[in-house]
Amino acid sequence: QVQLQQSGPGLVKPSETLSLTCSVSGGSISSFYWSWIRQSPGKGLEWIGYIYSSGSTNYNPSLQSRVSMSVDTSKNQFSLNLRSVIAADTAVYYCARGGLGVVVTASDAFDLWGQGTMVTVSS
Amino acid sequence: DVQMTQSPSYLSASVGDSVTISCRASESVVNYLNWFQQHPGKAPRLLIYAASSLQSGVPSRFRGSGSGTDFTLTISSLQLEDFATYYCQQSYFTPRTFGQGTKVEIK
Repeated sequence: QVQLQQSGPGLVKPSETLSLTCSVSGGSISSFYWSWIRQSPGKGLEWIGYIYSSGSTNYNPSLQSRVSMSVDTSKNQFSLNLRSVIAADTAVYYCARGGLGVVVTASDAFDLWGQGTMVTVSS
Repeated sequence: DVQMTQSPSYLSASVGDSVTISCRASESVVNYLNWFQQHPGKAPRLLIYAASSLQSGVPSRFRGSGSGTDFTLTISSLQLEDFATYYCQQSYFTPRTFGQGTKVEIK
């Protein structure tokens, strides 16, 4: 079955860039939406944005100035970059399939999740 | 942003009980409302999408209903594995937003 495997550092210094990658196995990355979501005790679950397999994106306006996402269909993976991180960006970061607004099928609606990466912003 | 408000925030119940969790949106999200279950240290799990569609593999004791601004998740005959935190999430507006969660605890 389709699985998502996250990779990336668990510690990032303030003002630097948080970079995470999500590798999709057991299925194709093509023709699906892929999202990043984070969870912190203070803010709960927060959607960061999505990227479609074609490369089109939709970001949370609150993070838009610092976020970029990319997709590599040849490697079946997608990535998150969050620039100029601060302590408030400390959270568990998840990749997930879905994020489309008009949900018709489960794959539009965060039906698959990565294992989560605890990212701490600290010097 | 569309605010999603769940009630109650905590719920104490026994195995075999039926429980209902409410989710209210600050404006109409039509039926673009999903429900998730999360156990400690685990990623959320999709239970219900589009307000009332049961995700594959999810037991039929989970039922979602509602439209517009008011939605409910009902769990009939609680099992031990159902004690967890539940979240609603709207997908109609950007940004997608989640409720604050309802923790279902063992009485």
